[in-house]
Amino acid sequence: DTEVTQTPKHLVMGMTNKKSLKCEQHMGHRAMYWYKQKAKKPPELMFVYSYEKLSINESVPSRFSPECPNSSLLNLHLHALQPEDSALYLCASSLGRGRNSHEQYFGPGTRLTVT
Amino acid sequence: QQPVQSPQAVILREGEDAVINCSSSKALYSVHWYRQKHGEAPVFLMILLKGGEQKGHEKISASFNEKKQQSSLYLTASQLSYSGTYFCGTDRDYKLSFGAGTTVTVRA
Repeated sequence: DTEVTQTPKHLVMGMTNKKSLKCEQHMGHRAMYWYKQKAKKPPELMFVYSYEKLSINESVPSRFSPECPNSSLLNLHLHALQPEDSALYLCASSLGRGRNSHEQYFGPGTRLTVT
Repeated sequence: QQPVQSPQAVILREGEDAVINCSSSKALYSVHWYRQKHGEAPVFLMILLKGGEQKGHEKISASFNEKKQQSSLYLTASQLSYSGTYFCGTDRDYKLSFGAGTTVTVRA
C-alpha cells in the first residue's frame, strides 16, 4: 500500500472558523510533511515531522497548527485564516529524513477556500 | 533556495524527445524529480544522489552533475501519458525545495 489519504477533499471556511485537515499513511513511514500549493506554483514546504516530533517549521503563521498524534496520522489545525491562505494543502510521507534522501509520497490534497 | 528549472514549458508530438534542466546555486546532496498532472498529487519519478546512485523508474532517465549542481531529466520517445508539470526538488538541510516547474504537453 503506497497510499497517503487526506480528508476532506474540499473545504470552504470563513475567516473566524476553526477546522482541521487530516492525513494518514500506513506505509510505516517516519517522516511526514505539510505543503501548501498555489495554482501554477510548486509545493512550498510548511512543516516536517520526524518520528512524531516537529523538526521543521518554515516560519508558518501561528494560525496553522500541526499535530502528529501517532506515526500514521498528521493533522493541520486551521484558525482565523485569511483569504490568501486559500490553496491546495498537500500531505506527504517518506521513509525517513536522513541522508538517504527518500522519495516522498503525496496525498491528493485538500483544496481550501477561505471566504 | 529554490532551484531554477528550464524550460518553463514544452510542447511535443508523441515519439519526440525533450530535456528538462534543473540547477542550483548551492551544493546539493540529491535531486528529486516529480510529475504532477492537473488536479492530482505530485508523483515521484526519480532521485539522483551524490556519488551517482539513482532510484526511480526504469523508463525515465536523468543525470546529476554534482560539481555544477545541475540535473537533467530526459523524456525519450514521449507518450501522451508524459503530459504534466515536472518539478525538480533539491535536497539541502534535510528538506526539499521545488523548482517552478516545467509544463510538458504531448500531442498525438
